[in-house]
Amino acid sequence: DAKTTQPPSMDCAEGRAANLPCNHSTISGNEYVYWYRQIHSQGPQYIIHGLKNNETNEMASLIITEDRKSSTLILPHATLRDTAVYYCIVSSISNDYKLSFGAGTTVTVRA
Amino acid sequence: ETGVTQTPRHLVMGMTNKKSLKCEQHLGHNAMYWYKQSAKKPLELMFVYNFKEQTENNSVPSRFSPECPNSSHLFLHLHTLQPEDSALYLCASSQDEGEGYGYTFGSGTRLTVV
Repeated sequence: DAKTTQPPSMDCAEGRAANLPCNHSTISGNEYVYWYRQIHSQGPQYIIHGLKNNETNEMASLIITEDRKSSTLILPHATLRDTAVYYCIVSSISNDYKLSFGAGTTVTVRA
Repeated sequence: ETGVTQTPRHLVMGMTNKKSLKCEQHLGHNAMYWYKQSAKKPLELMFVYNFKEQTENNSVPSRFSPECPNSSHLFLHLHTLQPEDSALYLCASSQDEGEGYGYTFGSGTRLTVV
């Protein structure tokens, strides 16, 4: 599976959009991009996933570049409860889409 | 509550003890997973079960022994653990093995080995 690179930490202001980058320059054509987050002392929570097209759900939007080598998770209006570690993961059918977690980005939303 | 329940939430055990962690889901999922999360380290996949059959063991020491009696229950039996085994143990389930977007995690068991 392709490895991902995320910044170790970032701050954002409450009420503003949070844009979380992820590089996956070695991604292959059949690998999906998944985003999960882990709030302190809880298990990870699924946010969104995509293959090629941009995706949006009630939690976030996922923007994938045309060459698929990077993506951005957008939290449109960050709240204090969005403070968490955010994981960008790529996976494919070659490993049964198992999730391999990296260090993620620690996002702190400040009032 | 996520639909995946782990008990106990906290466990302190000595190195000579035997204990078990329990995971239960009633989401109708067929795949269940054990992950380990040590302090300041990423989550590590330990075991995968699909339709009660173990499909993956990521070189986990034999002092960790999983059991999956049915698709709704998963256990992790612990014996003669070491202090470095202290960690957060997370259980997850998904509809089937092979659905990366559909993992539901429990809140974990915080294990301390003394």
